[in-house]
Amino acid sequence: EDKVVQSPLSLVVHEGDTVTLNCSYEVTNFRSLLWYKQEKKAPTFLFMLTSSGIEKKSGRLSSILDKKELFSILNITATQTGDSAVYLCAAPNFGNEKLTFGTGTRLTIIP
Amino acid sequence: NAGVTQTPKFQVLKTGQSMTLQCAQDMNHNSMYWYRQDPGMGLRLIYYSASEGTTDKGEVPNGYNVSRLNKREFSLRLESAAPSQTSVYFCASSGLLSNIQYFGAGTRLSVL
Repeated sequence: EDKVVQSPLSLVVHEGDTVTLNCSYEVTNFRSLLWYKQEKKAPTFLFMLTSSGIEKKSGRLSSILDKKELFSILNITATQTGDSAVYLCAAPNFGNEKLTFGTGTRLTIIP
Repeated sequence: NAGVTQTPKFQVLKTGQSMTLQCAQDMNHNSMYWYRQDPGMGLRLIYYSASEGTTDKGEVPNGYNVSRLNKREFSLRLESAAPSQTSVYFCASSGLLSNIQYFGAGTRLSVL
């Protein structure tokens, strides 16, 4: 059974700090890993990673995949209160379009 | 471009009542999904539809039925609501050969 585990479960930091969120996975025939941000409503797509060692970047957010060690990290630099959210990672199941989600990391940024 | 639209946004039911949650997408996506999200449990797949005319069970299908009415619409029905079905329900869709799912704003359901 496919498994996605995120750590930490929650994180509280001050505005301006840098944070690293972790996602490890055990997935049959791995194809990709996705990161989502969920504020009060719908999860919104951030990144999809398919290749090891290639960083994806969007503003202050970046993510990288390590297919040998089976994990990914999401970095946020110079955090702002608007970064407060639950961050989810997910991996597609083999042979279909279903995603297995981790339980998420709740990030709280204190002004 | 509306993306994925869910109705209603909020609903309160009494135990035993029935209701249908509606979902429509305007992105011409083939696949559609229904999830529930509970505290500490993450997103769990209830049912999904890989294409018009097909539906399959996900991780937690008991107590639910679905209908893929056409390519745009995928509804979730609770025939006899139970307090254990109190949750936030999300609909999502994805395009052909894409793993990126796009989510609706959710329906917060309380069953008393």
